Amino acid sequence: DAGVTQSPTHLIKTRGQQVTLRCSPISGHKSVSWYQQVLGQGPQFIFQYYEKEERGRGNFPDRFSARQFPNYSSELNVNALLLGDSALYLCASSLLWGGTEAFFGQGTRLTVV
Amino acid sequence: AQSVTQPDIHITVSEGASLELRCNYSYGATPYLFWYVQSPGQGLQLLLKYFSGDTLVQGIKGFEAEFKRSQSSFNLRKPSVHWSDAAEYFCAVGATGAAGNKLTFGGGTRVLVKP
Repeated sequence: DAGVTQSPTHLIKTRGQQVTLRCSPISGHKSVSWYQQVLGQGPQFIFQYYEKEERGRGNFPDRFSARQFPNYSSELNVNALLLGDSALYLCASSLLWGGTEAFFGQGTRLTVV
Repeated sequence: AQSVTQPDIHITVSEGASLELRCNYSYGATPYLFWYVQSPGQGLQLLLKYFSGDTLVQGIKGFEAEFKRSQSSFNLRKPSVHWSDAAEYFCAVGATGAAGNKLTFGGGTRVLVKP
């Protein structure tokens, strides 16, 4: 069975640009969460989506947005990129909204120059 | 607000020796607790989880963890470390109820294994 898949695996963007990251959850999972992991730190929660609705938002600026599609895949968008947005972006898939474990993809490494 | 502290940033252990990684959490209700492992440049792999019941939980790769409510701790252990266990380990607490499935992670402990 396929796990959580994320694309692209790496990308380089220039300050001020916009980026879209994609995630496909495990088949049957209805919840997708996004995390940012800056080098040397633990992941930080950005968003959770369940059944195409936002169910949680972390302490990130409005430049960060996301959506979930009818097939439960998700996109994370970041506008007006800053150097500090350089990080590994992780997508996590879980069966339900809460009370279940989360399974992570391999991440997208974003470098802003 | 929930928080997780992993007091040890780095731990070096000899192959075959035992390993214990410390994790302390802060959460107002009964927590969901997790340990994840991350190899360089990779995503997170779930080692084990605690939701309720038996406070000693078994995970994959020979790891176990013990939930101690009185100490707000969830320490990870392995009796005999293999070279392939060299990685970064993250403890996380999961919100329950209306807070959905948000995970709060500690800063991680990097494990180095000496031959």
